[in-house]
Amino acid sequence: GAGVSQSPSNKVTEKGKDVELRCDPISGHTALYWYRQSLGQGLEFLIYFQGNSAPDKSGLPSDRFSAERTGGSVSTLTIQRTQQEDSAVYLCASSFLTGANQPQHFGDGTRLSIL
Amino acid sequence: DQQVKQNSPSLSVQEGRISILNCDYTNSMFDYFLWYKKYPAEGPTFLISISSIKDKNEDGRFTVFLNKSAKHLSLHIVPSQPGDSAVYFCAASVTRGNTPLVFGKGTRLSVIA
Repeated sequence: GAGVSQSPSNKVTEKGKDVELRCDPISGHTALYWYRQSLGQGLEFLIYFQGNSAPDKSGLPSDRFSAERTGGSVSTLTIQRTQQEDSAVYLCASSFLTGANQPQHFGDGTRLSIL
Repeated sequence: DQQVKQNSPSLSVQEGRISILNCDYTNSMFDYFLWYKKYPAEGPTFLISISSIKDKNEDGRFTVFLNKSAKHLSLHIVPSQPGDSAVYFCAASVTRGNTPLVFGKGTRLSVIA
């Protein structure tokens, strides 16, 4: 498809388990972002990949969170030893790197529920 | 400390009337502002943006106004339609390349037929 694709759309898991969330950005977009939206909150920045540069991890809430981007395209966000407060919608966005003022385009998110 | 604030969690407007959604920011380094629209179970959809070198940007029924001295922007939708009912997020960034967006908490707009 033409848009940002995320999988799975929903994930329910037990506390303490590890989860992997996947994002397939728009073809040609070299910037990729992960955000999360907790209930009643705005979107919170997690991590940002910009071309081949080292990622900006400043938004990751703890060392249980990590992300990688392979081949400059698909990205996976991994949460280890999940906690109930990790329950949220995890959103991925991508944009063109070159040129200022490029809007980010979002996928439909993964709704993560930790039991 | 919220850098982008949407102080109205909800707004109801009659169909055909103007909807005005407001957003305030505190970081004077922000120079690119966006509005996103979000339906339930979908990701945010980009609606309209404005650079700090402008004070107005218009796209069809949607107009964004920026008042830099007040650190305030607003989204006007006219005429409002029932399909406009959604949550609207204001976002800001420091540009010169792509940077993570800072979002407000959103305003839920209900357009009543």
